[in-house]
Amino acid sequence: GDSVTQMEGPVTLSEEAFLTINCTYTATGYPSLFWYVQYPGEGLQLLLKATKADDKGSNKGFEATYRKETTSFHLEKGSVQVSDSAVYFCALRTYNNNDMRFGAGTRLTVKP
Amino acid sequence: DTAVSQTPKYLVTQMGNDKSIKCEQNLGHDTMYWYKQDSKKFLKIMFSYNNKELIINETVPNRFSPKSPDKAHLNLHINSLELGDSAVYFCASSQANRVTEAFFGQGTRLTVV
Repeated sequence: GDSVTQMEGPVTLSEEAFLTINCTYTATGYPSLFWYVQYPGEGLQLLLKATKADDKGSNKGFEATYRKETTSFHLEKGSVQVSDSAVYFCALRTYNNNDMRFGAGTRLTVKP
Repeated sequence: DTAVSQTPKYLVTQMGNDKSIKCEQNLGHDTMYWYKQDSKKFLKIMFSYNNKELIINETVPNRFSPKSPDKAHLNLHINSLELGDSAVYFCASSQANRVTEAFFGQGTRLTVV
């Protein structure tokens, strides 16, 4: 079935460091891909999305490019801030699946 | 104006009790979901309703029963609560379209003692 695999955390970085969180997917259909962020004690918020190959989603300095050839959607940010500390989830949705399938989540901690 | 709202935010109850969590969305979406998030933050789909019809029921014990009185509401009723039911439960909604994202509620932290 459709699934998402993302790099295990936790990830700890210093402020202004470069961030990469890897995400790969398996899907029988043509999925849309999403990154969600969950701050402590809150629900999930959409961070960015891409709906077709080579699309780049971006928001708040975060970017991810839909790579069909490598079935990947890695999240990147050039300079992280303490306020970026959260759990990040990669997710997919296909025409055949009415639900969203999530990866296991990656906890990011940014230290001053 | 909250898009997806669920109540209560916290729920502490004894084993064996029956409880309900309510969810409402004001986005006009035709699909609603319940997810369970465990202590390691793993998210598991429990139910999905599209236009008031159940279309997913992922190996969830039948003590859990979703009820959708209309397109804007999807409530979760849990019978005979067990310690292992302790988790955070999220309601979400979306359009029935693969390119659209799901919108999540704030979660209900259920603790069974």
